[in-house]
Amino acid sequence: EVQLVQSGAEVKKPGESLKISCKGSGYIFTIYWIGWVRQMPGKGLEWMGILYPGDSDTRYSPSFQGQVTISADKSISTAFLQWSSLKASDTAMYYCARRSATTGFVDYWGQGTLVTVSS
Amino acid sequence: EIVMTQSPATLSVSPGERATLSCRASQSVSSNLAWYQQKPGQAPRLLMYGASTRATGIPARFSGSGSGTEFTLTISSLQSEDFAVYYCQQYNNWPQWTFGQGTKVEIK
Repeated sequence: EVQLVQSGAEVKKPGESLKISCKGSGYIFTIYWIGWVRQMPGKGLEWMGILYPGDSDTRYSPSFQGQVTISADKSISTAFLQWSSLKASDTAMYYCARRSATTGFVDYWGQGTLVTVSS
Repeated sequence: EIVMTQSPATLSVSPGERATLSCRASQSVSSNLAWYQQKPGQAPRLLMYGASTRATGIPARFSGSGSGTEFTLTISSLQSEDFAVYYCQQYNNWPQWTFGQGTKVEIK
């Protein structure tokens, strides 16, 4: 069974750094693109970027380029999303999402990680 | 960037009735269009891809149609578990995917 299991909720202060994770299981982690989606409170879904764990090829949405870093450690089948300096506006739910093998839709989603940034 | 526009923002429907949701792309996305369902407190779930192919386990009361810039998701007879927010997503413009803003289907 394919599963994407994300790390737990985080509460941080503005200016702090953060790295959240998404562990894939039940499939070959290195051959599926895995991406991140932001959902701000009460709002819709926003595509942030995506990474191919096999060679770490990473693509970012222009809206998120330079704001976050997407990475992966294929030895532990885990993808990461990190911030070097959080802002209050980063408060949101973050989902990891696996791109289907054949085309570009998302076939599996993580359960989400809630990030709260508040002073 | 391809902009996806969904309408209406909210759809009030009685159980057992038909619901029709629309999604329009600012330029052609061919049939590279997916629909997702999201219930409160849950992650989105894939409903439809290729504009009209149901994902595994999705009931036949869900159907999708369209190509190019105009797409429709139809729920033929709404069940209680179908009240949720529905998002369309284009994946034609790899890797710059975009979602619509969502349509909330609520109980009338």
